[in-house]
Amino acid sequence: DGGITQSPKYLFRKEGQNVTLSCEQNLNHDAMYWYRQDPGQGLRLIYYSQIVNDFQKGDIAEGYSVSREKKESFPLTVTSAQKNPTAFYLCATQDGTINSPLHFGNGTRLTVT
Amino acid sequence: GQQVMQIPQYQHVQEGEDFTTYCNSSTTLSNIQWYKQRPGGHPVFLIQLVKSGEVKKQKRLTFQFGEAKKNSSLHITATQTTDVGTYFCAYPFPGSARQLTFGSGTQLTVLP
Repeated sequence: DGGITQSPKYLFRKEGQNVTLSCEQNLNHDAMYWYRQDPGQGLRLIYYSQIVNDFQKGDIAEGYSVSREKKESFPLTVTSAQKNPTAFYLCATQDGTINSPLHFGNGTRLTVT
Repeated sequence: GQQVMQIPQYQHVQEGEDFTTYCNSSTTLSNIQWYKQRPGGHPVFLIQLVKSGEVKKQKRLTFQFGEAKKNSSLHITATQTTDVGTYFCAYPFPGSARQLTFGSGTQLTVLP
């Protein structure tokens, strides 16, 4: 969706290194989410944040960390503790309306070797 | 706990044939959303269903929410090559109005 920027599109790292994925939005949406997608599979929630300086773990938070210091930004750090970090990472935003749809960025494809 | 199954996992159709994907829940859902993800792309919101027995149409796409709000379907009439992609249902995580859980998706291939 226009207004959500994920960078970079492709990212390569060596095993044992931490890496931070960027997600910036100018939609003025309150909530932001990080999902992970593995080939041929659905989306699994890593972390989400409903307001600045607050975030909650999703289904697969182990090995990941986030921060929400600004409304516009929700960076995701993939730490060396994440056993299988190679995946497609999607950031999404949601406005303040209950049950409103998610708007996704274009994603970052992370490869760790 | 809540379990939602999306079927089929894969579907290959000849162009012009119809296609249907289903999401079936073990518990009542407050609402359900449908998304489409083109190959190499990101999920894009299609529609939300909230009411029991609701039916919504978008051109060749028909979305239904079951009377018991445990089942939903997406039907495409006369598929086109532009319909290729993976279709996901998404539903609220129990006890959360915001956290969405995604079904495993149905990957549609349309053969010309």
